[in-house]
Amino acid sequence: GQNIDQPTEMTATEGAIVQINCTYQTSGFNGLFWYQQHAGEAPTFLSYNVLDGLEEKGRFSSFLSRSKGYSYLLLKELQMKDSASYLCAVLDSNYQLIWGAGTKLIIKP
Amino acid sequence: DGGITQSPKYLFRKEGQNVTLSCEQNLNHDAMYWYRQDPGQGLRLIYYSQIVNDFQKGDIAEGYSVSREKKESFPLTVTSAQKNPTAFYLCASSSARGNEKLFFGSGTQLSVL
Repeated sequence: GQNIDQPTEMTATEGAIVQINCTYQTSGFNGLFWYQQHAGEAPTFLSYNVLDGLEEKGRFSSFLSRSKGYSYLLLKELQMKDSASYLCAVLDSNYQLIWGAGTKLIIKP
Repeated sequence: DGGITQSPKYLFRKEGQNVTLSCEQNLNHDAMYWYRQDPGQGLRLIYYSQIVNDFQKGDIAEGYSVSREKKESFPLTVTSAQKNPTAFYLCASSSARGNEKLFFGSGTQLSVL
């Protein structure tokens, strides 16, 4: 079966750095997405990786290793507004998105 | 501004009742999707449409129906056959099905009275 694994919840301190991991086993691979979702709101796109390596976009970076079936989202200089759930999703060989359950990130002052 | 509008924000369903969730987009996107989100689970695809007057079942289509009569609109009906409808429903669109990023509506929380 297809599976996406993410930690359920993480806690970090304002101003610090946090890394949210995502591992996947899917039928083929056509890219990996990260979305941010505040409680009761719509998910919003953060990043898309299809090649190995690190993609940096401001305070957020996303890394992919296809051989390891692994990605991480790195958030720097954490702000209180970064408290949200972070969803990992993989596009499989049929171009269907397989979603992880999300990681709830709690930022403490 | 372009975007996706879902309504209502909150909806209550009585036993045996069908309810319809609205989804409208003005992004000129061809593909539209309906997802269900339950606590502790990933998003699950209910239905998707790649073009007007055509749609396909997703992983959990039973108890739901859709229509795509206009490019801008993709309403979802939760029928009385759906025995566990309480969930957060998200509509999304993309320029094409595939590796395009999704744009989501703000969601509808459906509860059973």
